[in-house]
Amino acid sequence: ETGVTQSPTHLIKTRGQQVTLRCSSQSGHNTVSWYQQALGQGPQFIFQYYREEENGRGNFPPRFSGLQFPNYSSELNVNALELDDSALYLCASSLVSGRADEQFFGPGTRLTVL
Amino acid sequence: GQQVMQIPQYQHVQEGEDFTTYCNSSTTLSNIQWYKQRPGGHPVFLIQLVKSGEVKKQKRLTFQFGEAKKNSSLHITATQTTDVGTYFCAGSQGANNLFFGTGTRLTVIP
Repeated sequence: ETGVTQSPTHLIKTRGQQVTLRCSSQSGHNTVSWYQQALGQGPQFIFQYYREEENGRGNFPPRFSGLQFPNYSSELNVNALELDDSALYLCASSLVSGRADEQFFGPGTRLTVL
Repeated sequence: GQQVMQIPQYQHVQEGEDFTTYCNSSTTLSNIQWYKQRPGGHPVFLIQLVKSGEVKKQKRLTFQFGEAKKNSSLHITATQTTDVGTYFCAGSQGANNLFFGTGTRLTVIP
């Protein structure tokens, strides 16, 4: 196990609703990245947080936003949910500050949008 | 934009046979990482390659990074049922994001 935890494990929402997913990084890791993994696909980078600031963003619209807290835990918020947002959302922490180094993934949150 | 492709998409092998997956990037990478994801699980880091032409071994697994730093391969010798899963390469251009490949799903038939 990596020590990265995520909650909730599963979530069902309807189109147009908003959702908040949570992640607690591995002890000592100050960098957190969020990924979206659609069924049968590889993880797609959403954004990274380092020292409570967004430190890079993938090709995702502004309705995907995030936060990092002083204890390095993080949240992913998605507004105005669409059917295509149904996916496994993975949080990953890394030891090397602000870099795309070895990622320690959490178990993920499975989001279903109806 | 950055694209990382993997082939094959699926591979079925008899236990004991070898397995290779190939990863190709549309741009030069600063490093490449490999991850394994078991069915229903999350990606688990296997290794990172940084240098041009680098070769690293982990028991039955051999990883290579191409001379041009645009391609990579993972070779498993004498597969076992515990090798089942999807293998992803993930490339970085030195920034703070990883581009994951499309993955190769390995099935090992006992």
